[in-house]
Amino acid sequence: DIQLTQSPSFLSASVGDRITITCRASQDVFSHLAWYQQKPGKAPKLLIYTKSTLQSGVPSRFSGSGSGTEFTLTISSLQPDDFAVYYCQQLRSYPLSVTFGGGTKVEMK
Amino acid sequence: QVQLQQSGPGLLQPSETLFLSCAVYGGSISGYYWTWFRQPPGKGPEWIGDINISGSTSRDPSLGSRLTISLDTSKNLFSLTLTSMTAADTAVYYCARQWAVTGSFDFWGQGTLVTVAP
Repeated sequence: DIQLTQSPSFLSASVGDRITITCRASQDVFSHLAWYQQKPGKAPKLLIYTKSTLQSGVPSRFSGSGSGTEFTLTISSLQPDDFAVYYCQQLRSYPLSVTFGGGTKVEMK
Repeated sequence: QVQLQQSGPGLLQPSETLFLSCAVYGGSISGYYWTWFRQPPGKGPEWIGDINISGSTSRDPSLGSRLTISLDTSKNLFSLTLTSMTAADTAVYYCARQWAVTGSFDFWGQGTLVTVAP
């Protein structure tokens, strides 16, 4: 299986801060890399797919970039609604492998 | 708007069988992979398996013959059956729609906390 390692695991930040989360893959995941936000008691919410495409309805302060084995999620100006856990996810079709990173919890400073 | 509505029990005893279903509203079953995940406390989601309109399934090899995923196209509903449940299977279980072109999961069910305890 392809392993995804996120850093940092915890991030303390303030409203208005610019934050970046990194996701490193154990193998090239090509373009099938997505980012999700999850709040307590809720299902993950898709934010970004194919590395950098913003899902419909997601604010433009979220952006994704990267290639190969290293990817980043950036929030340009953190808002109160953004305090949550963020996960990266990859899918490889052959052989089938779907994995999530360990998560990054963004907490209020 | 697509909605996924899960149903099934939340508490099982060891060795019992888990049956969860996921009804799809507001969209077609065709053209997607219908997926099950589980999420142990404090960890990321873990892929369990999926099924498509043709009935073709994929599953986590570690679950082996314990796992069955089925699809009822007449009811726009897919289901998970997991036998011989143990405490290690305790988790929140989610159904989700995989957007095949992108490899991402764009709609999710509300989640079902499944606890296995005597």
